[in-house]
Amino acid sequence: AQSVTQLGSHVSVSEGALVLLRCNYSSSVPPYLFWYVQYPNQGLQLLLKYTTGATLVKGINGFEAEFKKSETSFHLTKPSAHMSDAAEYFCAVSEEGYQKVTFGTGTKLQVIP
Amino acid sequence: KAGVTQTPRYLIKTRGQQVTLSCSPISGHRSVSWYQQTPGQGLQFLFEYFSETQRNKGNFPGRFSGRQFSNSRSEMNVSTLELGDSALYLCASSRGGSGANVLTFGAGSRLTVL
Repeated sequence: AQSVTQLGSHVSVSEGALVLLRCNYSSSVPPYLFWYVQYPNQGLQLLLKYTTGATLVKGINGFEAEFKKSETSFHLTKPSAHMSDAAEYFCAVSEEGYQKVTFGTGTKLQVIP
Repeated sequence: KAGVTQTPRYLIKTRGQQVTLSCSPISGHRSVSWYQQTPGQGLQFLFEYFSETQRNKGNFPGRFSGRQFSNSRSEMNVSTLELGDSALYLCASSRGGSGANVLTFGAGSRLTVL
């Protein structure tokens, strides 16, 4: 069964500092991995996805994530946090041939001026 | 291109009533998934429909049901509402074929049960 674990329900960073949000997954087959962002009173928006190929994936708004099979991780990073990055971030996993997408519990990112 | 549209955006019901939520997917998308989001449980998968057939189902009681129409629009219904059903219900659409299931979400329907 597929599952996702996000470490840290709340993360605070200073504006301009590195953002690192952690995600570990479990999957019985090669996974598809995603990061979504949710702003208050809105639905989720896709930040980036990993399917196959290059393990370093670049997304929107300067975010990127690296797929590490040996560590079953897919951590999200951004070199320099901006105030507009304050939101809740969700890691998700799905598998080929199985359309259900399983989400982690989310990490709320606070950016301190 | 229009996004995923959910109606109503907000609604208030009382215990024991039933509610129907609607979702219009992106044009060309044949798969619709429904999720329940609460502060305590996070995002919980309800079910997924593709070409009018339920393909996947989460661990929710039978009070939660859904359907999909021939134009891919979907509805979900919750009968005999309980206080714990208060949540944001999110609908997401995707092409639904092979490969990664990239979901596009609507803004959600926020249900409050009194």
